[in-house]
Amino acid sequence: AQKVTQAQTEISVVEKEDVTLDCVYETRDTTYYLFWYKQPPSGELVFLIRRNSFDEQNEISGRYSWNFQKSTSSFNFTITASQVVDSAVYFCALPGENTDKLIFGTGTRLQVFP
Amino acid sequence: NAGVTQTPKFRVLKTGQSMTLLCAQDMNHEYMYWYRQDPGMGLRLIHYSVGEGTTAKGEVPDGYNVSRLKKQNFLLGLESAAPSQTSVYFCASTLRGSLSYEQYFGPGTRLTVT
Repeated sequence: AQKVTQAQTEISVVEKEDVTLDCVYETRDTTYYLFWYKQPPSGELVFLIRRNSFDEQNEISGRYSWNFQKSTSSFNFTITASQVVDSAVYFCALPGENTDKLIFGTGTRLQVFP
Repeated sequence: NAGVTQTPKFRVLKTGQSMTLLCAQDMNHEYMYWYRQDPGMGLRLIHYSVGEGTTAKGEVPDGYNVSRLKKQNFLLGLESAAPSQTSVYFCASTLRGSLSYEQYFGPGTRLTVT
């Protein structure tokens, strides 16, 4: 069955530290997409990235980078030089078996202190 | 372009009362979803719809009903509210199935059942 595990419930760092959020997934599909969403304290969910299982190259967007490793079924998210505005809950997600719906991990709460 | 909107933003109900949450999207998306978010549980899918006039059960459908009479609207009903339904409810939409398209989320509805 499809499953997403975010083992880190909460992470606290001081501003400018680098931080990595882990995401491990299980899927029966040979082709699939993976997603990351951000939920800041204001509560809305914001899409960050979509990744195709065909493409295992790292993705970088500013201070954000994603490391996709099919061999270990992981799709980890790194924030470089973290800032207070990065404080949020981050969710990793994977389509369900019939692809009509997303399966979300339980989220990792990141707190960045000044 | 308002994206996904939810009405109301907050509501307090007494046990046994009924209410309807309204979700509207103006992006001509085919798929719509209702999630609930509880502490430590991540996002759990309640019901979803793959098109006008169709609905399907998600992970936690008991105690809820839905209707999709118009493509742009997706209603979530609670017939007889229970304290266990105290939660934050999110609506989402996507162009088609979640295999490759990101979901766009509404701002959420915070519901308290006393």
